[in-house]
Amino acid sequence: SYEVTQPPSVSVSPGQTATITCSGNNLGDKYTYWYQRKPDQSPVLIIFHDTKRPSGIPERFSGSSSGNTATLTISGTQAVDEADYYCQAWDTNIDVVFGGGTKLTVL
Amino acid sequence: QVQLVESGGGLVKPGGSVRLSCATSGFTFSDYHMNWIRQAPGKGLEWVSSISRSGETPFYADSVRGRSTISRDNAKNSLFLQVDSLTAEDTAVYYCARDHEDANWGFGYWGQGTVVTVSS
Repeated sequence: SYEVTQPPSVSVSPGQTATITCSGNNLGDKYTYWYQRKPDQSPVLIIFHDTKRPSGIPERFSGSSSGNTATLTISGTQAVDEADYYCQAWDTNIDVVFGGGTKLTVL
Repeated sequence: QVQLVESGGGLVKPGGSVRLSCATSGFTFSDYHMNWIRQAPGKGLEWVSSISRSGETPFYADSVRGRSTISRDNAKNSLFLQVDSLTAEDTAVYYCARDHEDANWGFGYWGQGTVVTVSS
């Protein structure tokens, strides 16, 4: 079965750029979505179809995807961005697959 | 305002069944593909099942295929999930989620979840 892999944790200093990767075989041929999950809150969709941002999501969140890797980039990271981030892959062959999640720490 | 409210969780014995419900409001239910996602204690998100707008086409994760049934009642704006032959691995918070209006298969709205605990 298809799998996508995320690093368990990423640390970033306030104001710097955070990069979270999601890796899977030919992931660039599928759609990738990204969610932010804060404690005791439901997940929030922050990127869909690899690069698109839902309305209301700050511009500092961006996504890209190519080859075997999709990337979530947070520019000018703020303390409020500290959360768990999950990638999700989809296509008609694999249905939906979530990554294991990445804990982002803003130091 | 989109609202999704799950119910039906609880303590279930191994081998038992559970039927989860999701009551929705604030949108035209029949216009959206609907989904169930779960999160086991200490684990990440796991997609469980989805259903097309009409209810004619279900989709299941391998972990529940063959022992789960997803359904919907468009007249009552409700989504359901029955899971049979439960094991400890099914212990999780189960979330109902609606597709984002701009993103098929992107889960834009989530309920607060209902807890299913499988234990003897």
